[in-house]
Amino acid sequence: KNEVEQSPQNLTAQEGEFITINCSYSVGISALHWLQQHPGGGIVSLFMLSSGKKKHGRLIATINIQEKHSSLHITASHPRDSAVYICAVVPISNFGNEKLTFGTGTRLTIIP
Amino acid sequence: DTAVSQTPKYLVTQMGNDKSIKCEQNLGHDTMYWYKQDSKKFLKIMFSYNNKELIINETVPNRFSPKSPDKAHLNLHINSLELGDSAVYFCASRRQGIGTQYFGPGTRLLVL
Repeated sequence: KNEVEQSPQNLTAQEGEFITINCSYSVGISALHWLQQHPGGGIVSLFMLSSGKKKHGRLIATINIQEKHSSLHITASHPRDSAVYICAVVPISNFGNEKLTFGTGTRLTIIP
Repeated sequence: DTAVSQTPKYLVTQMGNDKSIKCEQNLGHDTMYWYKQDSKKFLKIMFSYNNKELIINETVPNRFSPKSPDKAHLNLHINSLELGDSAVYFCASRRQGIGTQYFGPGTRLLVL
């Protein structure tokens, strides 16, 4: 079983819908990252969290350290949000070298 | 200006050949990484260097040898290429301490 699990694996929604992608992990962590991989293949870091909540434009990321769970929300989704969203954690044992353990990704498709 | 660049972008080669992938970052970061993304889009750490010193060396065949001539460059040399080496290889960098990782565009390697 992977240390980082994401759900759903695939998500198709209509433009304008509110999107939630979930990430659960099984180890103590020092940080959690949300990454976006575009259809063209490039990877962009969206958020790095160690507690609470962060917001950037229409994207919101939350983390509950006690429950070992994080969510990525997209408000007013748009076709350009179509991408693979990847959750990655830094286990406490890797604090300092920032060795990321990745989830398997959630493929999001937004239909116009 | 590209923050993290990789060359080549595409690499098609025969089994048994030796090839190199180059990575350069102009962000002044101290730490650089090599990741492998398999056909199922799963990312996995391979190596990490901090100020030219190897700090992460995952269970990777010793046909793979990273080299960091200076902290702005991290190259990956692969000897005796095998079919299973076909993947997308991403370079990334970050500043010292906990921080966002910046990814290169990826090198798509196909071994025939």
